[in-house]
Amino acid sequence: DARVTQTPRHKVTEMGQEVTMRCQPILGHNTVFWYRQTMMQGLELLAYFRNRAPLDDSGMPKDRFSAEMPDATLATLKIQPSEPRDSAVYFCASGLANPGTEKLFFGSGTQLSVL
Amino acid sequence: GEDVEQSLFLSVREGDSSVINCTYTDSSSTYLYWYKQEPGAGLQLLTYIFSNMDMKQDQRLTVLLNKKDKHLSLRIADTQTGDSAIYFCAEKAGKLIFGQGTTLQVKP
Repeated sequence: DARVTQTPRHKVTEMGQEVTMRCQPILGHNTVFWYRQTMMQGLELLAYFRNRAPLDDSGMPKDRFSAEMPDATLATLKIQPSEPRDSAVYFCASGLANPGTEKLFFGSGTQLSVL
Repeated sequence: GEDVEQSLFLSVREGDSSVINCTYTDSSSTYLYWYKQEPGAGLQLLTYIFSNMDMKQDQRLTVLLNKKDKHLSLRIADTQTGDSAIYFCAEKAGKLIFGQGTTLQVKP
């Protein structure tokens, strides 16, 4: 049963620390998305990749956030330094880009708490 | 710019029909989607509709699209307690843009 795997599921850290979240997309998928979910803002798109190339990271605070795909089986989202306002659930999703439909498969998320 | 709006909350009784509404702004959207999020989980694709269709039915789910008004709805027939979740509509405008989500509460 193919699924998107995210680690860790939960992370509690102190302000100023570096946080790294990892995502293993479904094998064969060529698009990867990072979303952040909060009560106030809902689902915000942070970044997305197609064939490992970043296509759009305009939703991401560039001074502290970075997203990479070192290879086709791993996507990472880093926050350095972390701040309390970064507390949220971070979702990774993968899909197979077609001209038209884009069905995304979501991971279970990383719940981040920055104290 | 792209924007997707939904009402935030809907409460129904078990066995009734639920209708969740959504408006979007990008007229070039080719596909529109409904996703479901259960507590503690990621989003799961429920159904989608191509923009040249008016309606799509899939078991208890009916999607209606009014392209002129940019209005999308999801009807769940015979709503069950297991349908309690947050429902997101999304449009594809280059990238996938989600609404804020509608929390569906199903009362026994």
